[in-house]
Amino acid sequence: RKEVEQDPGPFNVPEGATVAFNCTYSNSASQSFFWYRQDCRKEPKLLMSVYSSGNEDGRFTAQLNRASQYISLLIRDSKLSDSATYLCVVTGSGYSTLTFGKGTMLLVSP
Amino acid sequence: ETGVTQTPRHLVMGMTNKKSLKCEQHLGHNAMYWYKQSAKKPLELMFVYSLEERVENNSVPSRFSPECPNSSHLFLHLHTLQPEDSALYLCASSQGVGSFSGNTIYFGEGSWLTVV
Repeated sequence: RKEVEQDPGPFNVPEGATVAFNCTYSNSASQSFFWYRQDCRKEPKLLMSVYSSGNEDGRFTAQLNRASQYISLLIRDSKLSDSATYLCVVTGSGYSTLTFGKGTMLLVSP
Repeated sequence: ETGVTQTPRHLVMGMTNKKSLKCEQHLGHNAMYWYKQSAKKPLELMFVYSLEERVENNSVPSRFSPECPNSSHLFLHLHTLQPEDSALYLCASSQGVGSFSGNTIYFGEGSWLTVV
């Protein structure tokens, strides 16, 4: 099983749609979780951290399910500018670094 | 403006050349990283430095040689590369290493490397 797995997509949605991505991780000891966004030929940028109780930032909602070892990202009222690749990122325990998924591509059309 | 700057942004080099990528962070962070991003692959961690000391090296070929002279600067020295080394090389920094709350990672814009 890969450490961090994501559906590569692309997810094609119209403007205004609601779209959700899931990401599964294999290390049950993982402690921190993030969603990063990467535009074409650009560097990844932090979109939001994912907290155990779930968290929301405007149109974006992130949730964590430790029992099933997955995190999710929900985007409401999609905008054209949301078109990007969304990277799921997971850390291990203690002295360790981030593990990135391959990303899920989102294409929002007019 | 990004707090992590990388130069050059684009580099084309022959397999016998020696070149270096440079990274500088202006965020006061203590940890710096080199990542490699190839087409259709996840980001691969290459090296991690914490307070100028290398703390992780993920089985990277010796043709890649990192150098961290201080906590703000990181280099990646390249020599006798192969065409399959062509990729986007991303530098990043964070407050520290380890999975503590708020320890998010910030990337530079990357250096596009083509080996011919």
